[in-house]
Amino acid sequence: GNSVTQMEGPVTLSEEAFLTINCTYTATGYPSLFWYVQYPGEGLQLLLKATKADDKGSNKGFEATYRKETTSFHLEKGSVQVSDSAVYFCALSDPGANSKLTFGKGITLSVRP
Amino acid sequence: EPEVTQTPSHQVTQMGQEVILRCVPISNHLYFYWYRQILGQKVEFLVSFYNNEISEKSEIFDDQFSVERPDGSNFTLKIRSTKLEDSAMYFCASSATHTGELFFGEGSRLTVL
Repeated sequence: GNSVTQMEGPVTLSEEAFLTINCTYTATGYPSLFWYVQYPGEGLQLLLKATKADDKGSNKGFEATYRKETTSFHLEKGSVQVSDSAVYFCALSDPGANSKLTFGKGITLSVRP
Repeated sequence: EPEVTQTPSHQVTQMGQEVILRCVPISNHLYFYWYRQILGQKVEFLVSFYNNEISEKSEIFDDQFSVERPDGSNFTLKIRSTKLEDSAMYFCASSATHTGELFFGEGSRLTVL
């Protein structure tokens, strides 16, 4: 079955540091890949997505590239801000599966001023 | 901006009691979902709902669970006889299309004592 593995957290960074959050997946077929973010007290929000190999999703300075050869979708940001403190979830959606998402465990990012 | 709303935000109940979690999806969305996250674990798919019937459900979604869209705006998750292991954050989501972005509510935290 489908699965998503995220690196263990939590992650604590200083403001303006470089961020990488690793995500790898196992899936049959050709899934779409997503990063969702959950800010304190809020629901999950779509951060970015990529629907096919070599696509790069980007939003709010975050980027992730769909790497089929390494089955990865690592999230990066060049310079994090305190306001980026949140929980980040990697997820995949099997195209034929009714938009059902399979999530990773999530990782908490804390950014210090 | 339209959003998915969930009530209650937190419910505490005794084991064996019935619980109903309520969701108001975005008004023009057609696909509805429940997910849950047990503390420290992954966000797990429970059930998807389209055209007034369940389109897919997970192994977790046993006979104790049911969903309903009673009035064209609310989407409810009922747990008939709660168990300790039902303690989790329950997220409702909706989508305009079956391949579209899922919009999540803030979640309802259920604590079973």
